[in-house]
Amino acid sequence: DAKTTQPPSMDCAEGRAANLPCNHSTISGNEYVYWYRQIHSQGPQYIIHGLKNNETNEMASLIITEDRKSSTLILPHATLRDTAVYYCIVRVVGFGNEKLTFGTGTRLTIIP
Amino acid sequence: EAEVAQSPRYKITEKSQAVAFWCDPISGHATLYWYRQILGQGPELLVQFQDESVVDDSQLPKDRFSAERLKGVDSTLKIQPAELGDSAMYLCASSARQGGGYTFGSGTRLTVV
Repeated sequence: DAKTTQPPSMDCAEGRAANLPCNHSTISGNEYVYWYRQIHSQGPQYIIHGLKNNETNEMASLIITEDRKSSTLILPHATLRDTAVYYCIVRVVGFGNEKLTFGTGTRLTIIP
Repeated sequence: EAEVAQSPRYKITEKSQAVAFWCDPISGHATLYWYRQILGQGPELLVQFQDESVVDDSQLPKDRFSAERLKGVDSTLKIQPAELGDSAMYLCASSARQGGGYTFGSGTRLTVV
C-alpha cells in the first residue's frame, strides 16, 4: 500500500471548518483513500473513503486532487468532540487481503 | 448500531504469565483483524482472518502469540508468556467481505508488570 504523509498536529477553533491535509504521492490507480479517527482510549472510527471523486457524508467531506496525489478531509463545523487523532490511509480494495496500514496520523485539537 | 465486542476492557498481568483477549465481530462479517497499538503510535496489524482461515499473520510474534477463530465467528488472541514490551492496546476489527470500512471494537488495554 502507498505511504501517506500527514502533519503531526493541528488546532482548529470550535465552530470553524477543520481541514486536514494528506499527501499520498505514490498512490496507485486502484487504491482508495480512507480516513479514520481515534478519540482517546477508543478504537478507530471510520469517517469516509473515496477513489477519485469528492465524497460527502454526515460526518465529513473528502476532497481528492485531480492527480490523486493528495487529499483533504473537511469537518465543516468542528466541535470539541472532534478532538482526536485522524488517520489518512490508502489501500487496495477487492483483492481479499484488504488490511489497513496506519501511520501516526494528525492530532487535531478543537479550541473552545 | 452493530458493534464489535471485546473483553476484557483492561487487563493487568505479570511478566511470564499467559493472557487472552476475546473478540466478537459484527454478525455476518467474514473478515476479522487483530491490531496492536503502542502508546503514541498508530495501530499495527497482527493477524487477519477470512472466515476461520488466517490470511495474514506476518507481523504476529509466533513464538509467544497465537490467534484462533475456530468457527469463523468470534476470535481469541493469546500471549504466553507475556513480556513488558507487550503492554499496549489490542484492537479487534471486522469488515464485510467486499470493501467498505472496518468497524473497530473499543480494545483491551494490557499492562504487563
